[in-house]
Amino acid sequence: NAGVTQTPKFQVLKTGQSMTLQCAQDMNHNSMYWYRQDPGMGLRLIYYSASEGTTDKGEVPNGYNVSRLNKREFSLRLESAAPSQTSVYFCASSPRGTGGDTQYFGPGTRLTVL
Amino acid sequence: GENVEQHPSTLSVQEGDSAVIKCTYSDSASNYFPWYKQELGKGPQLIIDIRSNVGEKKDQRIAVTLNKTAKHFSLHITETQPEDSAVYFCAATPYNNNDMRFGAGTRLTVKP
Repeated sequence: NAGVTQTPKFQVLKTGQSMTLQCAQDMNHNSMYWYRQDPGMGLRLIYYSASEGTTDKGEVPNGYNVSRLNKREFSLRLESAAPSQTSVYFCASSPRGTGGDTQYFGPGTRLTVL
Repeated sequence: GENVEQHPSTLSVQEGDSAVIKCTYSDSASNYFPWYKQELGKGPQLIIDIRSNVGEKKDQRIAVTLNKTAKHFSLHITETQPEDSAVYFCAATPYNNNDMRFGAGTRLTVKP
């Protein structure tokens, strides 16, 4: 099993450009998550999906949209990138749809917005 | 929402010594408390977790303690080794809530 995979690994954007970060898991997990990690601030939840067809906002959703394409895939879209969105983005999944569960993280995408 | 504070932000110990990292949380409804280890350039990985129905849990050199009354929990690593060097994150969430909140992280350095 590959676990949680993310593409791309690195990306540089100019202010105002758009892009989609891709995430896939092969563990048949119900829940999937998108986090951002900034120095000194730990991991902050952007959006999550407790099951296929549902998405909910986390702590810092502004400027982002998500799509739970199917049970395996959960994408994060930046419609108009801003320098404040420079960060490392992690996707995660967990077996249950109810939370309070072990989360398995991908390797991350390092995004720089100029 | 839940707020998790983690201390210290950096910790340096000699190989073989013990390391302790402490976290406090604000939401009394939280009852799931995992600890994650993040090595350089990788995603976080769960190393141990505890639920509110127990006060302590051990796994070889790693232990976690929970004090629900005081709303704090701690990670204890004994007989530290250089490969324990990493960033450690605590987190807290109510069992039925997907919105897990993380501490800011502790960078642990184990000197040979």
